[in-house]
Amino acid sequence: AQSVTQLGSHVSVSEGALVLLRCNYSSSVPPYLFWYVQYPNQGLQLLLKYTSAATLVKGINGFEAEFKKSETSFHLTKPSAHMSDAAEYFCAVKNQAGTALIFGKGTTLSVSS
Amino acid sequence: DTAVSQTPKYLVTQMGNDKSIKCEQNLGHDTMYWYKQDSKKFLKIMFSYNNKELIINETVPNRFSPKSPDKAHLNLHINSLELGDSAVYFCASSLLDSLPGNTIYFGEGSWLTVV
Repeated sequence: AQSVTQLGSHVSVSEGALVLLRCNYSSSVPPYLFWYVQYPNQGLQLLLKYTSAATLVKGINGFEAEFKKSETSFHLTKPSAHMSDAAEYFCAVKNQAGTALIFGKGTTLSVSS
Repeated sequence: DTAVSQTPKYLVTQMGNDKSIKCEQNLGHDTMYWYKQDSKKFLKIMFSYNNKELIINETVPNRFSPKSPDKAHLNLHINSLELGDSAVYFCASSLLDSLPGNTIYFGEGSWLTVV
């Protein structure tokens, strides 16, 4: 069965610092992986996705993620955090049938000045 | 134009009441979903419809009944509301088309509080 594990429920960084949000997956088939962001009281917005093309995926707002099969990881990074990046971040994998997303428990990113 | 819109955004109601949340998408997608986000922000699929046919029906109480009058609409009706039903309900849509890499687009959420 497909699943994702997000390591660290809460990550705090200073403005301008590197952001690293960790996601490991488990999948019985080649995975399709996604990162979504949720700002307070809002819906989920797609940041980026991996669909078996390039292993380094660039997304919106300066975020990128690297698919590493050997480590079963899909960590999200941003070189320099901005105050506006403070939000909840979700890693997700498509289920085996490809018909729905299975989400991790989320990571809250706090950015301090 | 909002791609996936759901109403109402906020709903406060008493235990035992029946309520509905409506969802519409204007993306031309063939698949729609309901997800539930609990108080710990955990997101879980509840239902999915593809071309008006139910394709995913997770273990949810039968007090929850989805209805899809057409491909662009998926409504969620909840009977006999309980305190534990308080959550954020997200509608979403995608183009299934046998392409598992297709993006699922989410609405803004409906915050349901049962008192």
